[in-house]
Amino acid sequence: EDQVTQSPEALRLQEGESSSLNCSYTVSGLRGLFWYRQDPGKGPEFLFTLYSAGEEKEKERLKATLTKKESFLHITAPKPEDSATYLCAVMGGSNYQLIWGAGTKLIIKP
Amino acid sequence: SQTIHQWPATLVQPVGSPLSLECTVEGTSNPNLYWYRQAAGRGLQLLFYSVGIGQISSEVPQNLSASRPQDRQFILSSKKLLLSDSGFYLCAWSTGDTQYFGPGTRLTVL
Repeated sequence: EDQVTQSPEALRLQEGESSSLNCSYTVSGLRGLFWYRQDPGKGPEFLFTLYSAGEEKEKERLKATLTKKESFLHITAPKPEDSATYLCAVMGGSNYQLIWGAGTKLIIKP
Repeated sequence: SQTIHQWPATLVQPVGSPLSLECTVEGTSNPNLYWYRQAAGRGLQLLFYSVGIGQISSEVPQNLSASRPQDRQFILSSKKLLLSDSGFYLCAWSTGDTQYFGPGTRLTVL
């Protein structure tokens, strides 16, 4: 069964304290792995798509990496405005629908 | 550039009343359209998706229905709302693998 698990459920960091969020997945034939950011009461905002193991993408303080079993979202020197819930989703090769994780709530304290 | 609109932003409805949520996309043609529901602390649940006018696929049996009367318009409806229909409803569009989300509608059924 296709499945996505995100950890931790919540993460509290001090401003400037770097860390990583994890997205573990099981899927038949990965077509793509997607990262989104969601602010309270708003729709998810697209961040990255990763297609193959070893691929990395960066945007400002965020870097996403992909292996055959998991993806990491690394956040370097975060600021309070990085506080949000980060969602991970995968698309399998046999089904074009997205399988979603429950998200990691990131809180950055000034 | 492409934009997606959803309305209303919030809605409070009594049990047994009808529902109509609307989603429109601008700046693209023949998009795939999706309706999701998001419960607190859970991943997004796909309700319906459409690959063209009049073409609707349902992912879960439920009290809701969807229609696509125009290329860039997607409507979520119910004849009689249940308490369990409360949640955050999201519309999304895609023309490739990546889905882009609207701002969402917060529905409370009392």
